[in-house]
Amino acid sequence: KAGVTQTPRYLIKTRGQQVTLSCSPISGHRSVSWYQQTPGQGLQFLFEYFSETQRNKGNFPGRFSGRQFSNSRSEMNVSTLELGDSALYLCASSLGTLEGYTFGSGTRLTVV
Amino acid sequence: QKEVEQDPGPLSVPEGAIVSLNCTYSNSAFQYFMWYRQYSRKGPELLMYTYSSGNKEDGRFTAQVDKSSKYISLFIRDSQPSDSATYLCASTHNNAGNMLTFGGGTRLMVKP
Repeated sequence: KAGVTQTPRYLIKTRGQQVTLSCSPISGHRSVSWYQQTPGQGLQFLFEYFSETQRNKGNFPGRFSGRQFSNSRSEMNVSTLELGDSALYLCASSLGTLEGYTFGSGTRLTVV
Repeated sequence: QKEVEQDPGPLSVPEGAIVSLNCTYSNSAFQYFMWYRQYSRKGPELLMYTYSSGNKEDGRFTAQVDKSSKYISLFIRDSQPSDSATYLCASTHNNAGNMLTFGGGTRLMVKP
């Protein structure tokens, strides 16, 4: 059974650019959540999508946005990148229960 | 103050030792509690999940929740070098969907 797939694995962007990250959930999972992980702040919740609708949103600026497609695949976008956006971005999918909450390996974003 | 606090470590123990990892939380609305293990360059992997006070055992792992003191623990018996990783506790509200609040993580090193 395939796990949660995140692409790309590594990304280097310049300050001021925008970036799009992709997440393919486990087959059948309709909930996709995104987290940012940094050494200073740890893992912080960005947003959750369920059946193409944003269900929850964390405390991040509007530069961070996301969407979910009808096949449950999700993308997150960060516009006007700042140095502080350098982080590991993790996606997690689930059927709807916390026990089945599975993370991908993440996309490591470096902003220079 | 963060809603979930965790000693960052690092915690270094000899192989075979019993490991105790702890978290405290401040939000009384938290109802579900999880422990994740994260290896370097990987996403977090769910180890234990519980929603009630008391102990829950799974192999060498025991999760303990004390809601009266807002204290969460993970015990690892007969620790192995392969247990060397960062351990993250997480909590969520009873109606927050899949929005998890994580502790900062404790880095564990088990020496052969």
